[in-house]
Amino acid sequence: AQKVTQAQTEISVVEKEDVTLDCVYETRDTTYYLFWYKQPPSGELVFLIRRNSFDEQNEISGRYSWNFQKSTSSFNFTITASQVVDSAVYFCALSEANAGNMLTFGGGTRLMVKP
Amino acid sequence: ETGVTQSPTHLIKTRGQQVTLRCSSQSGHNTVSWYQQALGQGPQFIFQYYREEENGRGNFPPRFSGLQFPNYSSELNVNALELDDSALYLCASSKTGGPADTQYFGPGTRLTVL
Repeated sequence: AQKVTQAQTEISVVEKEDVTLDCVYETRDTTYYLFWYKQPPSGELVFLIRRNSFDEQNEISGRYSWNFQKSTSSFNFTITASQVVDSAVYFCALSEANAGNMLTFGGGTRLMVKP
Repeated sequence: ETGVTQSPTHLIKTRGQQVTLRCSSQSGHNTVSWYQQALGQGPQFIFQYYREEENGRGNFPPRFSGLQFPNYSSELNVNALELDDSALYLCASSKTGGPADTQYFGPGTRLTVL
């Protein structure tokens, strides 16, 4: 069965520091998709990125970057030069080709960026 | 904003009552999924509707049921409410319901069961 683990429950940094959020997943499928979502205090989950299992290229979008490594079943997320507005709970999620559109979420990492 | 709307925003019920939550999907999306998020946890998949049919279900009892309408909006019904049903209920819509499809979430309905 699929599983997503986010071992860091809470991280606190000072503004402008870089921070990496870890995500480790388990799946038996060879085709799967990984996602990151941001949940600000308002509650709505905001989509950040989707990656498929065949594409191990790292991706950068502004201050955000993602490192996907199949060898370690990890999909880590780095925020460079963090800002107070980055404060939120971040979720990593997995969907499998054989499980339709169902997302399995990790427990989330609460990021607090202090000024 | 994703274009996914949910109502009501907050709801307070007592144990044993029934509740209906509503969701309007983003324009052009025909799939709606529902998730339950308990405080301090990640969302848990309840079920998904694709073109008005249930298309996958998580580990939730039958007292959790749903509907999808021809305009692809959806309802989540929970009967015989229990205290543990207190949670944020999130609705998400996607274009096709496939595993690669990105799900876009609404703001959620916070249900409190007393």
